[in-house]
Amino acid sequence: SAVISQKPSRDICQRGTSLTIQCQVDSQVTMMFWYRQQPGQSLTLIATANQGSEATYESGFVIDKFPISRPNLTFSTLTVSNMSPEDSSIYLCSVGVTGSGDGYTFGSGTRLTVV
Amino acid sequence: AQSVSQHNHHVILSEAASLELGCNYSYGGTVNLFWYVQYPGQHLQLLLKYFSGDPLVKGIKGFEAEFIKSKFSFNLRKPSVQWSDTAEYFCAVTPRSGNTPLVFGKGTRLSVIA
Repeated sequence: SAVISQKPSRDICQRGTSLTIQCQVDSQVTMMFWYRQQPGQSLTLIATANQGSEATYESGFVIDKFPISRPNLTFSTLTVSNMSPEDSSIYLCSVGVTGSGDGYTFGSGTRLTVV
Repeated sequence: AQSVSQHNHHVILSEAASLELGCNYSYGGTVNLFWYVQYPGQHLQLLLKYFSGDPLVKGIKGFEAEFIKSKFSFNLRKPSVQWSDTAEYFCAVTPRSGNTPLVFGKGTRLSVIA
């Protein structure tokens, strides 16, 4: 199955600033998915990123706040913009694996704390 | 849009007790179903998955789940829990129609006491 390298693994940021999270996949994948896991909560899908087109955002998430880039089939970034303490969460990227195997692979996550 | 319901928010069991965690999904088509576990402070780990075939699926650590299509359910079971099973358990679903994201339930926190 695919292996995802996600960085940074954690960061502490000042409110009002932005953080860009990167995910590098060791194989070409069509879709990449970005999730947020708030403290004590489940994973919530932020957006789906398809190479060559704009990301598709879920209800409650907007491009101005969470711009996503997908320049090629192995890489994507998620930016958390104009951060506030409410953005403190774990952010994860994920890819689907077609055929047999685990089905989905997740990055190791970025633990973001906004102060 | 599909959704996943996990009815038990927090389950407390004694060691050696049997476990069943409920998971229901809403989606009219064919689905792939998953259970993930998240131990305190750790990343998600896949317990088991169902794509097709035998609706009784066996996973790691002695867990199993049964897919009942008529009930839109995919309940997780373990005959005898251990203290080390204390964790958060997430059910997830995706339509088997392409490269689509997983939709997660809200999770069930399992606490196993000695």
